[in-house]
Amino acid sequence: AQSVTQLDSHVSVSEGTPVLLRCNYSSSYSPSLFWYVQHPNKGLQLLLKYTSAATLVKGINGFEAEFKKSETSFHLTKPSAHMSDAAEYFCVVTPKNSGYSTLTFGKGTMLLVSP
Amino acid sequence: GAGVSQSPSNKVTEKGKDVELRCDPISGHTALYWYRQSLGQGLEFLIYFQGNSAPDKSGLPSDRFSAERTGGSVSTLTIQRTQQEDSAVYLCASRGETAPLFGPGTRLTVL
Repeated sequence: AQSVTQLDSHVSVSEGTPVLLRCNYSSSYSPSLFWYVQHPNKGLQLLLKYTSAATLVKGINGFEAEFKKSETSFHLTKPSAHMSDAAEYFCVVTPKNSGYSTLTFGKGTMLLVSP
Repeated sequence: GAGVSQSPSNKVTEKGKDVELRCDPISGHTALYWYRQSLGQGLEFLIYFQGNSAPDKSGLPSDRFSAERTGGSVSTLTIQRTQQEDSAVYLCASRGETAPLFGPGTRLTVL
């Protein structure tokens, strides 16, 4: 079984300040993990993925995430927020050897960016 | 290259009518997913296709829902006798060698 907990339903930051969106997971199997972003009235866009190579994963638009097995975490960070980062972010876990057949989504974190 | 496309982008229907939602996956992608996203419910798994294997239909909420994937490519999600609780955004994703990539979704409104 697997589950994902996104620890904050909403995060508010000012433009130019760092972003931290927290994700904890549990998985009976070695996991692959993804972060997706959803802008209003749009589909989900893949930000980055962890599939067992480097534990620090760099994604698009300056985002990165670090896989910490000991903490079962996969937090998403960005050094400096832009207004265009305002969106909803989803953390997803899937068993690595499942062929990604089962995607378990977190409930999402809404990122609000103020000028 | 082209991403996952879905049609229609918006669909308004009357309660009791049948609807068909279409998904065109990325060429060469063998896996295809349908998810439903509604307010307060998050992302809900509906069905998963992988190559020629029998689909995983474990997420379909009732027998009013069905899906098929013809020729390992295009997929159609059919909802019969729609109910107001079927109103949601229906998202399709396809996957090749990497993470699943999502389409823009179809917003279904049942009046």
